[in-house]
Amino acid sequence: EAQVTQNPRYLITVTGKKLTVTCSQNMNHEYMSWYRQDPGLGLRQIYYSMNVEVTDKGDVPEGYKVSRKEKRNFPLILESPSPNQTSLYFCASSLSQSAQPQHFGDGTRLSIL
Amino acid sequence: RKEVEQDPGPFNVPEGATVAFNCTYSNSASQSFFWYRQDCRKEPKLLMSVYSSGNEDGRFTAQLNRASQYISLLIRDSKLSDSATYLCVVRTSGLSGGSYIPTFGRGTSLIVHP
Repeated sequence: EAQVTQNPRYLITVTGKKLTVTCSQNMNHEYMSWYRQDPGLGLRQIYYSMNVEVTDKGDVPEGYKVSRKEKRNFPLILESPSPNQTSLYFCASSLSQSAQPQHFGDGTRLSIL
Repeated sequence: RKEVEQDPGPFNVPEGATVAFNCTYSNSASQSFFWYRQDCRKEPKLLMSVYSSGNEDGRFTAQLNRASQYISLLIRDSKLSDSATYLCVVRTSGLSGGSYIPTFGRGTSLIVHP
């Protein structure tokens, strides 16, 4: 089954404790991206990757890192999480940057205390 | 001013009603337009692309007005299962020229009641 898998689905942690949210897709998609969704603000792109070893900043990259060492994986790293990073995070992938649809993962709800 | 604006609603309509949502965008160079649907606590899913000439998919009709910089989604004969948040997505070429930055609207909430 074609899918985008994120882990964990839920996480409550404390300020400053490094965390990684994993994202994996099994569709051989070149393009992957991370979004955060906040009430009243909608979905905002954090980082995206057009292919292996090619990543770029989206609209709200501050406080986040990503890597794309393999085509299928695109982890989101919060080196020193802060409460303002409490949000619902979605990973998405598509064949290419211009292709639709983007396939979204189920989401990761992060709470930073 | 946000690049993509949507009326957040909620739009509360009875089954069978026709309902329309608009989405305005500020960048006249925007190139691609889409409607996504997001159910409560779920991921967004592509509903339909929006083409310049307008397009229809069953009960759903999407239209683009480039002159006024808005897109619309019309839902006819609303079903209970249409209750969801509808996200407008506008894609614009990035500063580097080669990238396409997708901008999501905040979404319009639709509640269809019996």
